[in-house]
Amino acid sequence: GAVVSQHPSWVICKSGTSVKIECRSLDFQATTMFWYRQFPKQSLMLMATSNEGSKATYEQGVEKDKFLINHASLTLSTLTVTSAHPEDSSFYICSARDPRGFDSPLHFGNGTRLTVT
Amino acid sequence: AQSVTQPDIHITVSEGASLELRCNYSYGATPYLFWYVQSPGQGLQLLLKYFSGDTLVQGIKGFEAEFKRSQSSFNLRKPSVHWSDAAEYFCAVGSGNTGKLIFGQGTTLQVKP
Repeated sequence: GAVVSQHPSWVICKSGTSVKIECRSLDFQATTMFWYRQFPKQSLMLMATSNEGSKATYEQGVEKDKFLINHASLTLSTLTVTSAHPEDSSFYICSARDPRGFDSPLHFGNGTRLTVT
Repeated sequence: AQSVTQPDIHITVSEGASLELRCNYSYGATPYLFWYVQSPGQGLQLLLKYFSGDTLVQGIKGFEAEFKRSQSSFNLRKPSVHWSDAAEYFCAVGSGNTGKLIFGQGTTLQVKP
């Protein structure tokens, strides 16, 4: 079964509103989670690294004031898209490293489809 | 600069035929290489990965991949494709095992009956 849960799986919001997406590790503690964005028919682009108890590390070109990341606990990271606009419509996917096991496998959530109208 | 290239955007094969998806990477150090599969509207499932050791890696669902350092390639293969293999396939390279991945553009696999 899924070890990383992402919620909601899809959301439609009006332009100017904010949307929060949750990423939970279900049976392990994840000190580090990652947020990716995927445009239709395109690859995944890393947006930021979410670190439990500290500030997220954003990739170049990602607006940190627009994409707020909070990693308040070892099992939950949230991505808030603030003042969303139609160009923010995309598929957002999180991943988390499972510290158990010799190679700390990376697990992906099932993604969140955001549509801004 | 680190990069991953999947030269084939779309591939169509007949069910039962063999499959090879190409992946080339550019990386300064020894890469950690991955192949993921994504069904429509879904997250990613790991097929296989290469960190070190044997350059021929076996994965789930009958997939395998071979790391060729001289060619900077990590091609994915399957001897006999099933209709359920139709999906999007991504090759990725990682910096060590940090979890930060750079993905290729993806290859869409269509399987003809």
